Amino acid sequence: ETGVTQSPTHLIKTRGQQVTLRCSSQSGHNTVSWYQQALGQGPQFIFQYYREEENGRGNFPPRFSGLQFPNYSSELNVNALELDDSALYLCASSPGGVAGTGELFFGEGSRLTVL
Amino acid sequence: QQQVKQSPQSLIVQKGGISIINCAYENTAFDYFPWYQQFPGKGPALLIAIRPDVSEKKEGRFTISFNKSAKQFSLHIMDSQPGDSATYFCAARGGSGGSYIPTFGRGTSLIVHP
Repeated sequence: ETGVTQSPTHLIKTRGQQVTLRCSSQSGHNTVSWYQQALGQGPQFIFQYYREEENGRGNFPPRFSGLQFPNYSSELNVNALELDDSALYLCASSPGGVAGTGELFFGEGSRLTVL
Repeated sequence: QQQVKQSPQSLIVQKGGISIINCAYENTAFDYFPWYQQFPGKGPALLIAIRPDVSEKKEGRFTISFNKSAKQFSLHIMDSQPGDSATYFCAARGGSGGSYIPTFGRGTSLIVHP
């Protein structure tokens, strides 16, 4: 059974650029959620996707957007990057839909540095 | 607005000792309370979780104590080992009224000295 995989693992961008992060969910998991983890902080919920639609969003501006594909994989897109966007971006998958069991299975994250 | 408050921020324990991490929440609609363990360079991994209809749950050396009236829950690590050194996050998930969105505490860095 393959776990949650994320790519790229590290990337460096400059302010104003756009970035796309990718996530493959664990086999059989139909719900994907994204989190921003700043250094020394807990993960902050960005949004989650179920059945290819956004279902729940945290306190993040519209320049954070996402997609979920029919195979349940997902992308996180961030436009007009700001210095404060530098963080570890975590993807988590979960089984059983939005309500589900509540268990989150995290990938190892994509470390984004904005210069 | 910090809906889940975690303490302490850091904790140092001797091998064999008990590590205790506390969390307090505000939203009574939360329906699921997990603890995650995160090692440097890795994503968080689910350690143990509890639902509000239970006051305690034990899995091996890890125990969650849950006090619904006080809106508090805690993680106890018995016989702490150096391999337990990691950052621990409590979390709470909103129920149907909260779109099942999880809120995490700020984390506790645990160091277990050999």
